[in-house]
Amino acid sequence: GAGVSQSPSNKVTEKGKDVELRCDPISGHTALYWYRQSLGQGLEFLIYFQGNSAPDKSGLPSDRFSAERTGGSVSTLTIQRTQQEDSAVYLCASEGQEKYNEQFFGPGTRLTVL
Amino acid sequence: GDSVTQMEGPVTLSEEAFLTINCTYTATGYPSLFWYVQYPGEGLQLLLKATKADDKGSNKGFEATYRKETTSFHLEKGSVQVSDSAVYFCALSDDQTGANNLFFGTGTRLTVIP
Repeated sequence: GAGVSQSPSNKVTEKGKDVELRCDPISGHTALYWYRQSLGQGLEFLIYFQGNSAPDKSGLPSDRFSAERTGGSVSTLTIQRTQQEDSAVYLCASEGQEKYNEQFFGPGTRLTVL
Repeated sequence: GDSVTQMEGPVTLSEEAFLTINCTYTATGYPSLFWYVQYPGEGLQLLLKATKADDKGSNKGFEATYRKETTSFHLEKGSVQVSDSAVYFCALSDDQTGANNLFFGTGTRLTVIP
């Protein structure tokens, strides 16, 4: 596609449930990043993929958070046993070799945990 | 560790006023510096960037100069327009590990009134 897409755009869930958030990067972009934007913490880095591997998972806030990427394209961020403090906008960005060091962001998924 | 400190808002200006949003950074290596903008209802977009000391990034009338001696990357525009109303984020990436994950400031909301 022309840009980074994310789904769903909004997700409301109950505390304790698991959620999956999806990111479709720009075709051909090898690097993919997940960030979280919340009122209390601002914009924070979660995890980075180069191809299908995640050399940097340092930003994941707890072991309830995991992510994978398959085929060097689509990525899924999974949050298990959601808590109210997980409520935030989850942003995905991709980066390609043609514009190195320039990340293109998706519209985000707004997660609300009740 | 790496961090960005950004002037807190909100900032309200009249059309055609001069804009400065201050940004300073702390980094262990030689970071690249960015300004991202988030217009109402839209995703994050790269506004401008600078990759080494004394570089000036510019776009849409906005400018910022990478000042290593003062560890700053202040955003300026000589004459703002109503359409510039948005949230502006200063950010850095520090390619120490091969990843370009971004460290963001807290964001500054700009409102331009006619």
